[in-house]
Amino acid sequence: TQLLEQSPQFLSIQEGENLTVYCNSSSVFSSLQWYRQEPGEGPVLLVTVVTGGEVKKLKRLTFQFGDARKDSSLHITAAQTGDTGLYLCAGERAGGFKTIFGAGTRLFVKA
Amino acid sequence: SAVISQKPSRDICQRGTSLTIQCQVDSQVTMMFWYRQQPGQSLTLIATANQGSEATYESGFVIDKFPISRPNLTFSTLTVSNMSPEDSSIYLCSVHGGQGNTGELFFGEGSRLTVL
Repeated sequence: TQLLEQSPQFLSIQEGENLTVYCNSSSVFSSLQWYRQEPGEGPVLLVTVVTGGEVKKLKRLTFQFGDARKDSSLHITAAQTGDTGLYLCAGERAGGFKTIFGAGTRLFVKA
Repeated sequence: SAVISQKPSRDICQRGTSLTIQCQVDSQVTMMFWYRQQPGQSLTLIATANQGSEATYESGFVIDKFPISRPNLTFSTLTVSNMSPEDSSIYLCSVHGGQGNTGELFFGEGSRLTVL
């Protein structure tokens, strides 16, 4: 059983469409991170959310941390082919120091 | 942030052999983490390498199969021993981010192992 449930696992959309990726847990996290990984490379950190209810924006990407710090979402507006990649949510449970990863969402944006 | 270099970036290995992966960080860090990413999958923590003490292994991973060295604060190695095709994966080294950024990880580019 994944401690961080990520959905959807796979998404194929047309350029210009919007999409949302979800990351849910029954546990409270002290922080949650979103990473993007391209083939042949390690994951690259996009953002960290720490405060319940927090919303962060990174150009066309909007990240939200749930009020209870148990879930997070990543919304991409007007997707571009360059957004193609594996998106991973990850977090540290409250009181812990190990980072746990979700199963990942493989996004493919078609031209 | 931290710059992490891994070697080799990829290798093709024969069943039954062992391979050592090196990880070099451009700054001193207390903990270094080794992850495995099986084809099409997410990341699974293998072990945490601390300088001056034995590595701490996660459930399902043992020292005999994945011995780890941590001779100083900027370097670590992971050995994959007696390899089988099931060990074909990307192995990633990582460290925590900068001050006040708990939980954030920086990764090397990974070492892609294919076992025949």
